[in-house]
Amino acid sequence: AQTVTQSQPEMSVQEAETVTLSCTYDTSESDYYLFWYKQPPSRQMILVIRQEAYKQQNATENRFSVNFQKAAKSFSLKISDSQLGDAAMYFCAYSPTQGGSEKLVFGKGTKLTVNP
Amino acid sequence: GAGVSQTPSNKVTEKGKYVELRCDPISGHTALYWYRQSLGQGPEFLIYFQGTGAADDSGLPNDRFFAVRPEGSVSTLKIQRTERGDSAVYLCASSPQAGQFYEQYFGPGTRLTVT
Repeated sequence: AQTVTQSQPEMSVQEAETVTLSCTYDTSESDYYLFWYKQPPSRQMILVIRQEAYKQQNATENRFSVNFQKAAKSFSLKISDSQLGDAAMYFCAYSPTQGGSEKLVFGKGTKLTVNP
Repeated sequence: GAGVSQTPSNKVTEKGKYVELRCDPISGHTALYWYRQSLGQGPEFLIYFQGTGAADDSGLPNDRFFAVRPEGSVSTLKIQRTERGDSAVYLCASSPQAGQFYEQYFGPGTRLTVT
């Protein structure tokens, strides 16, 4: 079974600084998708960034970028120029492309605090 | 446009009671997902609908849990004989079509508390 591990229950960063959130996953599949979701106190999950495993180039969305290391099964999220609005729970998620299941498998999350 | 909506926002029920949780997906989205998020955990997959049919119900924990989507739009998650361990936030998500290429849009969830 696929699993996703986030080893940092909590992280903090100073406003305008850079922070990296870690994620590792376990799968025997060769093709899959990886995601980072943000969950503010409102509970609504918001997609931050997505990476397709067959693409070697790391995904980037404005201040958010990933470091995807397929061989190491690592998928970290870097947030640059951190803003107060970035404070939230961040979840790493995996989704297989084979087998017909579109489900997301989530890690336990990392709580990010942004200090002014 | 309107996002995914879920009702009620909060539900408190007594152990042994029956509850229904409703999800209104984004209009036109054919794929619909239910997840359960226990305290301090990430969401766990329950069931996925493509249109009216359940394409994958492998995440339903037992036969007390059932979900329907009779017209391919609104979905209802039904829990019979609730137990205290069912207490969690139940999240619904919808997607334009099935497939990881398409983003899953989440609702705000229903917080279920079983006393």
